[in-house]
Amino acid sequence: EADIYQTPRYLVIGTGKKITLECSQTMGHDKMYWYQQDPGMELHLIHYSYGVNSTEKGDLSSESTVSRIRTEHFPLTLESARPSHTSQYLCASSENGSNEKLFFGSGTQLSVL
Amino acid sequence: KNQVEQSPQSLIILEGKNCTLQCNYTVSPFSNLRWYKQDTGRGPVSLTIMTFSENTKSNGRYTATLDADTKQSSLHITASQLSDSASYICVVSDRGSTLGRLYFGRGTQLTVWP
Repeated sequence: EADIYQTPRYLVIGTGKKITLECSQTMGHDKMYWYQQDPGMELHLIHYSYGVNSTEKGDLSSESTVSRIRTEHFPLTLESARPSHTSQYLCASSENGSNEKLFFGSGTQLSVL
Repeated sequence: KNQVEQSPQSLIILEGKNCTLQCNYTVSPFSNLRWYKQDTGRGPVSLTIMTFSENTKSNGRYTATLDADTKQSSLHITASQLSDSASYICVVSDRGSTLGRLYFGRGTQLTVWP
C-alpha cells in the first residue's frame, strides 16, 4: 500500500478564506503531483515537483500555489477560496523512471460556500 | 489532440460475472498505458502498466490487453466481486516526456450487484 497521506479528508469553508491542503509521503519519492478531479471527469494536473525547491504548474490553470521545502512534504495553498474551487484534490508521488507507478493519497474534498 | 476515451461510461453486472472495459486513445508518441481502480472517495490505485512491447498483463482477476497498432486497450475482470465496484481509469503516457504528461480517461463506473 502507498504511504502517502492527505489532510484534511473533507473541508468546508467560506469564500475568501485562505486554506492549505497537506500532502506527505514516506516513500522518499522525488516526484510529487497535485491533481484536481470533478465528479465523472478526468483528473487534471495542476502542479508538480521533481524535487526539493522544484515546482511547476500543470496543464490546468489554477489559482493555487505549492511549495517543496522537504522531499516528503508538498502542500497546496489557496490564498482566497472561491466556490469555483470546490473540487476533489488528489496528491500523488512516484519514483524516477519512465514507467514509474503513481501512488495517490485519499484526496481532500473541498467545498467553498 | 491527445485524448483517451473510455467505454462504457457505466456498467452494472451481477456478482460472479465477467466484464470487459474499453479504452481508445490518440496519444502520440506512445510510452505506456496504465489502468487504475478508484473507489468512491479515495485516490486511484494502480492495477497494471503496459509498454509498447507488451500486449497483455495480469494482476489477479484483472487482465489488461494492449493493441498499440489500433491504439486500443481493454481491462477484463473475471469472476467479479462486490469489492470490484469502483471507477476504472485508463491513463496514457506519451514517450519522451516527463511523467507529468499523462492523459486520463474519464473512467468507467462499474457496479457489481449481489
